[in-house]
Amino acid sequence: DTAVSQTPKYLVTQMGNDKSIKCEQNLGHDTMYWYKQDSKKFLKIMFSYNNKELIINETVPNRFSPKSPDKAHLNLHINSLELGDSAVYFCASSQGLPTSMEQFFGPGTRLTVL
Amino acid sequence: DAKTTQPPSMDCAEGRAANLPCNHSTISGNEYVYWYRQIHSQGPQYIIHGLKNNETNEMASLIITEDRKSSTLILPHATLRDTAVYYCIAQGSGGGADGLTFGKGTHLIIQP
Repeated sequence: DTAVSQTPKYLVTQMGNDKSIKCEQNLGHDTMYWYKQDSKKFLKIMFSYNNKELIINETVPNRFSPKSPDKAHLNLHINSLELGDSAVYFCASSQGLPTSMEQFFGPGTRLTVL
Repeated sequence: DAKTTQPPSMDCAEGRAANLPCNHSTISGNEYVYWYRQIHSQGPQYIIHGLKNNETNEMASLIITEDRKSSTLILPHATLRDTAVYYCIAQGSGGGADGLTFGKGTHLIIQP
């Protein structure tokens, strides 16, 4: 069984479009995250959600908005896509504070903006 | 979060122990040392973590120096599937609300 799943795996779109990436975890974890890995392979935290509340919002453009319909899902909506948004986006989950020692990552979504 | 320094790349022969060093000289008393790895085109994978004592699990061993300023991840019998980028992270509990802060890591290449 897949612990953390993301859809789609690949996403190719035009500048200016709005797109969403879905993430689901079946581990019963309390906290979920979104990370971005750019072309230079740097992996950076974007958001985390704990019990459906946003508890961190890194300095990402407000075109990016995480939405969590329930504890098992954290979707990432991106409006007005730009070339610089091209990257691989990873969803992750953990047991939650205070003992979230291990984060489980999804397989990633490769977003290409043309 | 404490800054970590790792060699950009290392080679190791298949079947031998792979020893990956990490320097975290500014680590504070409540920060853990975590190791993750990322196999090509996959999401990062947790390996091990520790605070002060050495730790071992089914994947690896973590040796932390007494002053906690550096550590070594040991893969006891490296296989070709262990080729990956290995990240050493020094942070508070689980990254918690802040998520994990990844550096550049060490690209470990296992040679047949």
